[in-house]
Amino acid sequence: KAGVTQTPRYLIKTRGQQVTLSCSPISGHRSVSWYQQTPGQGLQFLFEYFSETQRNKGNFPGRFSGRQFSNSRSEMNVSTLELGDSALYLCASSDPRNTGELFFGEGSRLTVL
Amino acid sequence: AQSVAQPEDQVNVAEGNPLTVKCTYSVSGNPYLFWYVQYPNRGLQFLLKYITGDNLVKGSYGFEAEFNKSQTSFHLKKPSALVSDSALYFCAVRDTNAGKSTFGDGTTLTVKP
Repeated sequence: KAGVTQTPRYLIKTRGQQVTLSCSPISGHRSVSWYQQTPGQGLQFLFEYFSETQRNKGNFPGRFSGRQFSNSRSEMNVSTLELGDSALYLCASSDPRNTGELFFGEGSRLTVL
Repeated sequence: AQSVAQPEDQVNVAEGNPLTVKCTYSVSGNPYLFWYVQYPNRGLQFLLKYITGDNLVKGSYGFEAEFNKSQTSFHLKKPSALVSDSALYFCAVRDTNAGKSTFGDGTTLTVKP
């Protein structure tokens, strides 16, 4: 079974731009979660989607948004980028019929200049 | 609200010695508890989980963890550490009634030859 795939792996943007990150979950997994990882803040929960609906949301500003498609693939978007948005963005999928262990992708490393 | 504490930022052990990485949690319902490992520039990998039953759970790469309900702890252990175990370890809790997992700040394990 293929793992979680995140694209792009690396990207560089400038302040004020926007970015879209993509995540393809493990086949059959309908839940997708997004996390932001930074050296200072650790792993911060962004949001979780299940069957195209946002089920949980973390404490991030409205510049951070996401969506899930009917094939369970998910995208997250960050608008009006700030320097502090530089981070590793991790996507994880899970099968809610199981006990909720997360299967992570390799992440998308965003650098904002 | 659920939370996880990993009291040690760094744990250093000699190869061949036993290791322990500490984790305590707080959750309103019954907890699902997890350990994940992250190698440099990679996503997180699931190591093991406690859902119910035996308080000692075994996982990948010879790791095990002990669930202690009275102390609300879930410490990760390994009888004999390997240099290749050096990585960043995260403890996580998931409330059975909620969809999201909350992670600790991580503990960097360094195993020296």
